[in-house]
Amino acid sequence: QSALTQPASVSGSPGQSITISCAGTSSDVGGYNYVSWYQQHPGKAPKLMIYDVSNRPSGVSNRFSGSKSGNTASLTISGLQAEDEADYYCSSYTSSSTLFGGGTKLTVL
Amino acid sequence: EVQLVESGGGLVQPGGSLRLSCAASGFTFSSYWMHWVRQAPGKGLVWVSRINSDGSSTSYADSVKGRFTISRDNAKNTLYLQMNSLRAEDTAVYYCARNTRLMDVWGQGTTVTVSS
Repeated sequence: QSALTQPASVSGSPGQSITISCAGTSSDVGGYNYVSWYQQHPGKAPKLMIYDVSNRPSGVSNRFSGSKSGNTASLTISGLQAEDEADYYCSSYTSSSTLFGGGTKLTVL
Repeated sequence: EVQLVESGGGLVQPGGSLRLSCAASGFTFSSYWMHWVRQAPGKGLVWVSRINSDGSSTSYADSVKGRFTISRDNAKNTLYLQMNSLRAEDTAVYYCARNTRLMDVWGQGTTVTVSS
């Protein structure tokens, strides 16, 4: 049960696009199309942003998109806005457990 | 309104026990898998445990296996986490969350502090 690997931090200017990677193995990210992404602002509960690799829940901006290639999933945020500044976590379901990444702090410059 | 409300957190000595509860409302609780996820101060999210909709199947993170037990009472729309042999490293905010391969509804969290 190793955690998925995310960069500790990323940054971008308003209006730009950024991508956060989430590296796993063939036993988790690569083996299932069940990667999800969560946004967490300080002191708040996490919020689901992407599920099943690339699906957006109702109410989530279409500026957020997800993809996967092999054992690595990615979250892309386009048209960065100040309110996007938060921590982002990837997660992968497996038949025996659920894994989270270590989290990525997004700073909007 | 779909809602999850955790309770039961507090200060406990190392080696002690605590039972967390998560009260669900606004949806058919018995139809959903449920999870416990924790977050140590200043750290990231860590999955703790999950249980299927009827309570017949459970899974645990290696770090809590043998010490924590997840259960549910579908008649009371409530999820539980029995935590025994608590350690300092179990100190965290504990969240309950809904669903199987994703977590689409989260509670506000309850804080567990393990300290002498």
